[in-house]
Amino acid sequence: GEDVEQSLFLSVREGDSSVINCTYTDSSSTYLYWYKQEPGAGLQLLTYIFSNMDMKQDQRLTVLLNKKDKHLSLRIADTQTGDSAIYFCAESIPNAGNMLTFGGGTRLMVKP
Amino acid sequence: DTAVSQTPKYLVTQMGNDKSIKCEQNLGHDTMYWYKQDSKKFLKIMFSYNNKELIINETVPNRFSPKSPDKAHLNLHINSLELGDSAVYFCASSRTAYEQYFGPGTRLTVT
Repeated sequence: GEDVEQSLFLSVREGDSSVINCTYTDSSSTYLYWYKQEPGAGLQLLTYIFSNMDMKQDQRLTVLLNKKDKHLSLRIADTQTGDSAIYFCAESIPNAGNMLTFGGGTRLMVKP
Repeated sequence: DTAVSQTPKYLVTQMGNDKSIKCEQNLGHDTMYWYKQDSKKFLKIMFSYNNKELIINETVPNRFSPKSPDKAHLNLHINSLELGDSAVYFCASSRTAYEQYFGPGTRLTVT
């Protein structure tokens, strides 16, 4: 994912908040996504945000979008051990069949 | 009940062989995709396909070809397999622009 970048690793304690960051380069992106991948499993769509929004909240998840800086973040409140997984941000490009460009993934480890 | 399914789940084969991975979705979606995830977990789009248009990521070798017998299926054919083709291949489908549903993946190992 050379156009979408994420830090590789994040470790938090159970009950703390986790913040996973992502930067992207294509300003024509219409939607930005967060996917979760548990070990040996496929990708699960967690949430998405339309590019004209600044924030979206969905239960424990809060997505913040700074379009000027091309920065996307995912905050997980009250992180649980079951949240341990790899989190991918992705952007879709409208004139490319809505194909997704993924970041390299952030491995979240939640310690009890 | 599975929305997007792939077969096989694991595929081990030798260099030079030709193989196919099947994908089926029962969601009534119009567009299907193939992605490749390498050993470092990097995910790259390979193809986007609906009944009108095939979009190919230009980095994909022409040994890879998608084949769609009908709207619910998009199979991936790979000719003359190479060691570097070893990866997990994910199929996905979508109706709208903003929700893609992924299959469980097929782990391909080329020896």
